[in-house]
Amino acid sequence: EIVLTQSPGTLSLSPGERATLSCRARQSVSSSYLVWYQQKPGQAPRLLIYGSSNRATGIPDRFSGSGSGTDFTLTIRRLEPEDFAVYYCQQYGSSPIFGPGTKVDIK
Amino acid sequence: EVQLVESGGGLVQPGGSLRLSCAASGFTFSTYWMHWVRQAPGKGLVWVSRINSDGSSTSYADSVKGRFTISRDNAKNTLYLQMNSLRAEDTAVFYCAREAADLFYAFDIWGQGTMVTVSS
Repeated sequence: EIVLTQSPGTLSLSPGERATLSCRARQSVSSSYLVWYQQKPGQAPRLLIYGSSNRATGIPDRFSGSGSGTDFTLTIRRLEPEDFAVYYCQQYGSSPIFGPGTKVDIK
Repeated sequence: EVQLVESGGGLVQPGGSLRLSCAASGFTFSTYWMHWVRQAPGKGLVWVSRINSDGSSTSYADSVKGRFTISRDNAKNTLYLQMNSLRAEDTAVFYCAREAADLFYAFDIWGQGTMVTVSS
């Protein structure tokens, strides 16, 4: 069974700073099926990154994804006010799995 | 506009039933696999169920297997989730989501969610 862990649980940063979010799998997973979503309070999740490193349509280039095997990273190059949210990684499979999320809040 | 709109949520007693609907518009619904994902209050996202494009294949999370049934009506562009034997722990916002095969099966379109509360 694939288990995803995300760290840190909460990341407190200021606008303009760089955010680095980690998603770790208990066993090696295909980078093709590693996805990142953003969710703001009261809203549905929004697709950010698919295939571990491909930005979805309309996603600013300050968002980037990388990684392979068991370790994946979402980087937000310079935080904008609208980027403060919860970020989930997901692995697609016979039973899609989500990580527990990382909350990026304003310091 | 590509859109998914859920409905059918509400308050139900433990052991009761509820049917959720997800109306799709702006795309060829019959060509997409679809999913239900839920989120308990203050918690993370949990996958619930998937159905293939013609409805002939389904799968479920262990926590809902035998109690929930996913289905679709491609003529009506609508996805369903029949939920029986509901428990307090099923209380959550339920989202429907579209799976995009051309995006490595990411969930590219989500509905706004419908709240299900299981309580006496």
